[in-house]
Amino acid sequence: DTEVTQTPKHLVMGMTNKKSLKCEQHMGHRAMYWYKQKAKKPPELMFVYSYEKLSINESVPSRFSPECPNSSLLNLHLHALQPEDSALYLCASSQDPGTEQAGNTIYFGEGSWLTVV
Amino acid sequence: AQSVTQLDSQVPVFEEAPVELRCNYSSSVSVYLFWYVQYPNQGLQLLLKYLSGSTLVKGINGFEAEFNKSQTSFHLRKPSVHISDTAEYFCAVSSSNTGKLIFGQGTTLQVKP
Repeated sequence: DTEVTQTPKHLVMGMTNKKSLKCEQHMGHRAMYWYKQKAKKPPELMFVYSYEKLSINESVPSRFSPECPNSSLLNLHLHALQPEDSALYLCASSQDPGTEQAGNTIYFGEGSWLTVV
Repeated sequence: AQSVTQLDSQVPVFEEAPVELRCNYSSSVSVYLFWYVQYPNQGLQLLLKYLSGSTLVKGINGFEAEFNKSQTSFHLRKPSVHISDTAEYFCAVSSSNTGKLIFGQGTTLQVKP
């Protein structure tokens, strides 16, 4: 089973709203990721959690706040977003980040489509 | 620094014809190479990966890719495409230091009847 589950699938929010995107994996992976993808572009890495600790923040604005409550869950809290933040947000996981061991493949969820109005 | 170049932004092809999607990479360290497919309005799905060993890698849905170290390429091929193969295809290289995936710009495969 290589499933990464994301909710909600679609989200429309105003610029003053607070909302959250949720991600769950049950593969025993110890690394989890948030990516942002604009139309016709490759995914852009936002955050990496390794063993439930934030290990990489790609200079993401503070209106995006990640949280990793446990090794299976990853949230992305959204507050005071701008219309240009509208995009597909992809959660992903891998067995372990930064390892040269075979099998460190990053598995993606279906994504959450976010529209900021 | 590592980088990935997908040489074609769009590849139109007729159904049942062969296809090759080109990918070149640059890296000064060991590389791990991946091809992902993204169907319309969906997430990314792993097609195949090269970690080590045989340079010809077989993936899902009849796709295969060949790792060529001398040409720093990892081209994706399928001998006969179907309408359902219409999608965006991303080549990616994994950094051996951080595990970060570095994506190419993507190639849109358009299969016509």
